[in-house]
Amino acid sequence: AQSVTQPDIHITVSEGASLELRCNYSYGATPYLFWYVQSPGQGLQLLLKYFSGDTLVQGIKGFEAEFKRSQSSFNLRKPSVHWSDAAEYFCAVGARSSNTGKLIFGQGTTLQVKP
Amino acid sequence: DVKVTQSSRYLVKRTGEKVFLECVQDMDHENMFWYRQDPGLGLRLIYFSYDVKMKEKGDIPEGYSVSREKKERFSLILESASTNQTSMYLCASITGLYSYNEQFFGPGTRLTVL
Repeated sequence: AQSVTQPDIHITVSEGASLELRCNYSYGATPYLFWYVQSPGQGLQLLLKYFSGDTLVQGIKGFEAEFKRSQSSFNLRKPSVHWSDAAEYFCAVGARSSNTGKLIFGQGTTLQVKP
Repeated sequence: DVKVTQSSRYLVKRTGEKVFLECVQDMDHENMFWYRQDPGLGLRLIYFSYDVKMKEKGDIPEGYSVSREKKERFSLILESASTNQTSMYLCASITGLYSYNEQFFGPGTRLTVL
């Protein structure tokens, strides 16, 4: 079955520290891969996506993610976290064969930033 | 900028009531989605629509129905609300028919069923 797993439900980092959020997927073929962020009281916003080419993808707000086919992973990273990065982060996958735009989302990781 | 709006940010209803959640997008997107968001479960797809009057069930359609009479508007209906439908409901839209396109989300409606 197709699935997305974010192993860390909650992560706390100090402001200025580096960040890595993990995402693993189970899929028949390489899917499209996304990271979305949900700030408190708001809807989801796209941070970045991968669909082909360079496996290191740059996104908004200084985030990047690396697609590793051998590990079925798409981990999100940021070298230096800001207090405004505190939010919930969702990894998602979409089928290349799909004509509906449907996505499967992970459980989400809540990021807390300590001053 | 794409804008997806939802009719209410917070809603409180009683068990057995019929509940309507409205979603409107202003960018002429073809596909629209209703998700339910619960802690530890992420977003789960309830229904989606790929054209006016066209709909398909998602992963958790039980207890819900939808209506899309106009391209810009997608409604989620709880025929008889129950306490286990207390949740955050998110609407999204997407242009085109490819899943590499970005989904644009509304701010969500937090529904409490008493």
